[in-house]
Amino acid sequence: NAGVTQTPKFQVLKTGQSMTLQCAQDMNHEYMSWYRQDPGMGLRLIHYSVGAGITDQGEVPNGYNVSRSTTEDFPLRLLSAAPSQTSVYFCASSQGYRGGYTFGSGTRLTVV
Amino acid sequence: DQQVKQNSPSLSVQEGRISILNCDYTNSMFDYFLWYKKYPAEGPTFLISISSIKDKNEDGRFTVFLNKSAKHLSLHIVPSQPGDSAVYFCPLPYTGTASKLTFGTGTRLQVTL
Repeated sequence: NAGVTQTPKFQVLKTGQSMTLQCAQDMNHEYMSWYRQDPGMGLRLIHYSVGAGITDQGEVPNGYNVSRSTTEDFPLRLLSAAPSQTSVYFCASSQGYRGGYTFGSGTRLTVV
Repeated sequence: DQQVKQNSPSLSVQEGRISILNCDYTNSMFDYFLWYKKYPAEGPTFLISISSIKDKNEDGRFTVFLNKSAKHLSLHIVPSQPGDSAVYFCPLPYTGTASKLTFGTGTRLQVTL
């Protein structure tokens, strides 16, 4: 099993550009989430999903869109990148209520 | 409002000694608690959990204690090893049927030789 796969691992964007961070899991998990990690801020929840077709906002959703058309995939879209979105992004999935989350290895994004 | 707080941002422990990491929570409705560990440049990994119907759960060198009356959670690592050096998170636990895990800033553990 590959677990949770995030692509790309590194990305540099110019301010105003858009891009999609990919996340795929092969564990048939219902729950998936996106987090960002910034120095001194811990991990902050951006968006999450409890199943295909169902998404909701986390703590810091502004500037990001998500969709969940399949159980396996949960892409995160940056609509117009800003330097404040420079961060490390983690995708995670869980088998459900009380299931521990499995995290991907992260995407390091720099917006210049 | 943070419903779970890790009041110690960092902790340094000698190899072989006990490491104790603490969390305090406010909502007595929480019924399941988890600990995660994170190394630099990696995603967090699930470490150990405990249900609110228990007051202790043990897995090898790791033991989690739950004091419901004090709304306090602690993780004990005995004996501590250099490989335990990482950031430990006590995320906001699951409630109800929605699965939403929110993390704080964690506690950085440094195990010295």
